[in-house]
Amino acid sequence: DSGVTQTPKHLITATGQRVTLRCSPRSGDLSVYWYQQSLDQGLQFLIQYYNGEERAKGNILERFSAQQFPDLHSELNLSSLELGDSALYFCASSVGGVPEETQYFGPGTRLLVL
Amino acid sequence: SQKIEQNSEALNIQEGKTATLTCNYTNYSPAYLQWYRQDPGRGPVFLLLIRENEKEKRKERLKVTFDTTLKQSLFHITASQPADSATYLCALEGSARQLTFGSGTQLTVLP
Repeated sequence: DSGVTQTPKHLITATGQRVTLRCSPRSGDLSVYWYQQSLDQGLQFLIQYYNGEERAKGNILERFSAQQFPDLHSELNLSSLELGDSALYFCASSVGGVPEETQYFGPGTRLLVL
Repeated sequence: SQKIEQNSEALNIQEGKTATLTCNYTNYSPAYLQWYRQDPGRGPVFLLLIRENEKEKRKERLKVTFDTTLKQSLFHITASQPADSATYLCALEGSARQLTFGSGTQLTVLP
């Protein structure tokens, strides 16, 4: 158990809908990362927050947004969902948010868009 | 463009043998490289980090080498066990100053 929690574990929704994925980092970690993993794309970095502020952005679609709250939990919002958004979404956390730190991954949210 | 390539999609070896996984990269100048293990449907788990000035690093049955001239890292598991079966990912710091992961090598250790 990494200490990172993600909810929900599974999500089934329809195209065009909006969903929110939630992540709680390990106790003491200030940085949260979001990744998308699909069969054909591998693990893709989406966005990073550090202590409430956006720190880095990867190939995150404009339909996706995220935020980190004062209690350090984070939410990833996915809107106008398309079939291709079906994937595993992982949240990871680290202490200080620098790239060489170990990242601790949560169990993931499996999203299926029908 | 930057690219991370991991050898073959799947590797099958016999229990007790040494598994060797390869990570090659182009258009990166990494100061370090990380290896993670991922089991099906679960999040990756950090295994080892090796820095550019370290030629080799060991942790129990794991050994990682890093050759910045060849732009390659090798990941070895000695005395492999069926429990070592998983996908192994290498990761480098990319242009967004974040970890960029390779597509992984799926290792199966046969009893």
